Amino acid sequence: EDQVTQSPEALRLQEGESSSLNCSYTVSGLRGLFWYRQDPGKGPEFLFTLYSAGEEKEKERLKATLTKKESFLHITAPKPEDSATYLCAVKPAGGSYIPTFGRGTSLIVHP
Amino acid sequence: GAGVSQSPSNKVTEKGKDVELRCDPISGHTALYWYRQSLGQGLEFLIYFQGNSAPDKSGLPSDRFSAERTGGSVSTLTIQRTQQEDSAVYLCASSPGVDTDTQYFGPGTRLTVL
Repeated sequence: EDQVTQSPEALRLQEGESSSLNCSYTVSGLRGLFWYRQDPGKGPEFLFTLYSAGEEKEKERLKATLTKKESFLHITAPKPEDSATYLCAVKPAGGSYIPTFGRGTSLIVHP
Repeated sequence: GAGVSQSPSNKVTEKGKDVELRCDPISGHTALYWYRQSLGQGLEFLIYFQGNSAPDKSGLPSDRFSAERTGGSVSTLTIQRTQQEDSAVYLCASSPGVDTDTQYFGPGTRLTVL
């Protein structure tokens, strides 16, 4: 059974204080790992897809990296508007199109 | 362009009543997913539609839940004889096709069963 564990559950940062969110996964063959951002009362918003170990993607203050067992979402010099819940999901290889989501990390950035 | 829309945004119902939740995917998207999100829980997969293929219903928690997709576009999730444990946010997502991994989510319907 595919499993996705995100840590920490919650993270409070001061504006400008860089940090990383972790997504550990177990899947029988990885088709792709996905990061989403979810604001309160809204649906998740796609951020990145990573397909193979060693791959990195960047968008503004966010950088996602992937190894064979985990992914990190690095947040550099965060701003209050980066406050949200960040969700990680994996899709298995082999024809299933059903992703497994983690419970998310709730990030609050204080000004 | 227009994103995924869902209606209603909020639904309060009494235990035992039936409810219908609607999803309008992005035009041209052939894949459509329904998820359930409870407080503090991850997104729980419910059902997946892809084009004219038979839907993947493996995530539906009981036979009280059903969904249909008409004309390859609009989808309706129906919950019969609602229970309090059905209270959650129901999210719909669409994707351009089978080989496209990016999902575009709607804003969700918050269902409260009293």
